[in-house]
Amino acid sequence: KAGVTQTPRYLIKTRGQQVTLSCSPISGHRSVSWYQQTPGQGLQFLFEYFSETQRNKGNFPGRFSGRQFSNSRSEMNVSTLELGDSALYLCASSLEPHLEQFFGPGTRLTVL
Amino acid sequence: KNEVEQSPQNLTAQEGEFITINCSYSVGISALHWLQQHPGGGIVSLFMLSSGKKKHGRLIATINIQEKHSSLHITASHPRDSAVYICAVNAPNDMRFGAGTRLTVKP
Repeated sequence: KAGVTQTPRYLIKTRGQQVTLSCSPISGHRSVSWYQQTPGQGLQFLFEYFSETQRNKGNFPGRFSGRQFSNSRSEMNVSTLELGDSALYLCASSLEPHLEQFFGPGTRLTVL
Repeated sequence: KNEVEQSPQNLTAQEGEFITINCSYSVGISALHWLQQHPGGGIVSLFMLSSGKKKHGRLIATINIQEKHSSLHITASHPRDSAVYICAVNAPNDMRFGAGTRLTVKP
């Protein structure tokens, strides 16, 4: 079974631009969560989706948004990028919420 | 104060040593996770616990719900165990993470 895939793996953007990151969960997994990891703040929860519905959202500004499609694939979008958005963005999938999560390799975003 | 506290922050051990990493939390949880992150960023889920003890190979994880404390033990440590170990908890509306413990095992 293929693992969680994330695209792109690396991304360089400039301040003010927007970015869309994609996550394909393990086949059969209907829950997808997104996390941000920075050296200063560590890992922080962004969103959780299950069956195309956002169940929870972390303490991030409205510039951060996401969605989940009927095939469970998920995207997250960051608009009006700031330097502080530079981070590793990780996606994880599970069969259902609150079960064991399987992490993707992450997308490393650099904002210049 | 972070709601999920890990100790120690850094740990250096000799190959073969028994290692313990601790995690304390102050929020209500439905489960606790131990994660392993190698250089380069990939995260692997080691354990998910809601009570008692789990064992997988040389790794053992325990949780005491009343004391809000969990431990991760590594027996007969090996240089390939060198990584960052992260404690995470399923809080009611999100997942919260400890700052991680950087483990280095020297041959």
